[in-house]
Amino acid sequence: QITLKESGPTLVKPTQTLTLTCTFSGFSLSTSGVGVGWIRQPPGKALEWLALIYWNDDKRYSPSLKSRLTITKDTSKNQVVLTMTNMDPVDTATYYCAHEYYYDSSGLNWGQGTLVTVSS
Amino acid sequence: QSVLTQPPSASGTPGQRVTISCSGSSSNIGSNYVYWYQQLPGTAPKLLIYRNNQRPSGVPDRFSGSKSGTSASLAISGLRSEDEADYYCAAWDDSLSVYYVFGTGTKVTVL
Repeated sequence: QITLKESGPTLVKPTQTLTLTCTFSGFSLSTSGVGVGWIRQPPGKALEWLALIYWNDDKRYSPSLKSRLTITKDTSKNQVVLTMTNMDPVDTATYYCAHEYYYDSSGLNWGQGTLVTVSS
Repeated sequence: QSVLTQPPSASGTPGQRVTISCSGSSSNIGSNYVYWYQQLPGTAPKLLIYRNNQRPSGVPDRFSGSKSGTSASLAISGLRSEDEADYYCAAWDDSLSVYYVFGTGTKVTVL
């Protein structure tokens, strides 16, 4: 059974850097075809895809946010970390991590999400 | 930053059929698979349809997906009260780089 859980600060100040961790079980990021990504959803708004990292360290980023995002993996800890620089109140959102299996295009399996508020 | 366009709302009475459209372009829907996600109030999204028209195990066959050209649609037949949720289409996009895009979302209300 695949499970993912997001963790990180619930409150960050404008201009600070956000660091979120996705801890997962039920699969390994060293397995060919596996990917873990991040998606966010501002309150009352639509989903927005942010970034994804694959088993081979291939990384994909949203073009509009690429300059602010870094995604990394720690295979031994079953974790993926997302950092977002220069946080702004408009970045207030629930942040989700999700699993993808590249080879069968079977869609995203989601974590429960974590709400991050940006405020001074 | 949604690249895929959906109607903001759709509604129906119990038992009716509701259809949600998703419009994209040649770089996303036109050349890649379409996915649909259901988000019940206060919960994380859940995969509903993958590879245009495939249902994961556990998803009722009342839900069906289709794709034609640069558009896709989700149909819910035999609408039930528990189907009241937000629905999002999604696809990979190959335009600038390879990245994932979501639709604008559709709120389905069961009258």
